[in-house]
Amino acid sequence: GAVVSQHPSRVICKSGTSVKIECRSLDFQATTMFWYRQFPKQSLMLMATSNEGSKATYEQGVEKDKFLINHASLTLSTLTVTSAHPEDSSFYICSARGGYSGSVSTDTQYFGPGTRLTVL
Amino acid sequence: SQQGEEDPQALSIQEGENATMNCSYKTSINNLQWYRQNSGRGLVHLILIRSNEREKHSGRLRVTLDTSKKSSSLLITASRAADTASYFCAKETSGSRLTFGEGTQLTVNP
Repeated sequence: GAVVSQHPSRVICKSGTSVKIECRSLDFQATTMFWYRQFPKQSLMLMATSNEGSKATYEQGVEKDKFLINHASLTLSTLTVTSAHPEDSSFYICSARGGYSGSVSTDTQYFGPGTRLTVL
Repeated sequence: SQQGEEDPQALSIQEGENATMNCSYKTSINNLQWYRQNSGRGLVHLILIRSNEREKHSGRLRVTLDTSKKSSSLLITASRAADTASYFCAKETSGSRLTFGEGTQLTVNP
């Protein structure tokens, strides 16, 4: 249990285009999903927290108009990087936290495999 | 600054040896979690220890938490080459937010 997928795993795009990354909880319902970015050899930095059916809460310094987050259902959240530029190139990782008990711990964030974005 | 310092930044040991990684933090936490990340991959959850717990075990992993010193340690016993990875501690504070430490790069030489 507690599997989180991300799609795509890797994307290369031209500067100025928009890229959408999907995060899905495959076998549990995630009331909260988180988006992180990670630069090479660095730690994860939280970008935003999204709760199903409500607006995302962005961390200080993260542009909400540039990084659009939608948490349309209990199993899907999307991150859209709008008008991407080379400095947006990074590893984007989502995590999901379950709101229901059972085999999935409600205390734990389960992470997806990440999406490597390269903007040319 | 990022909550939580980890040390060492890098650790290289031989197979069979034990590896200890430390993590410190600055403010109150709900719990502290340890994750593992292989290069270019997602994070794998290892252990969660709550603020009212002092020690937890899972297989070859042992985690301690000292809230008076605001520190935690992860011990991997009888290490294997497959344990080579980056290890991160993450502090959960209000709103279920996780703040990650800088990580320890562990290399286990066969």
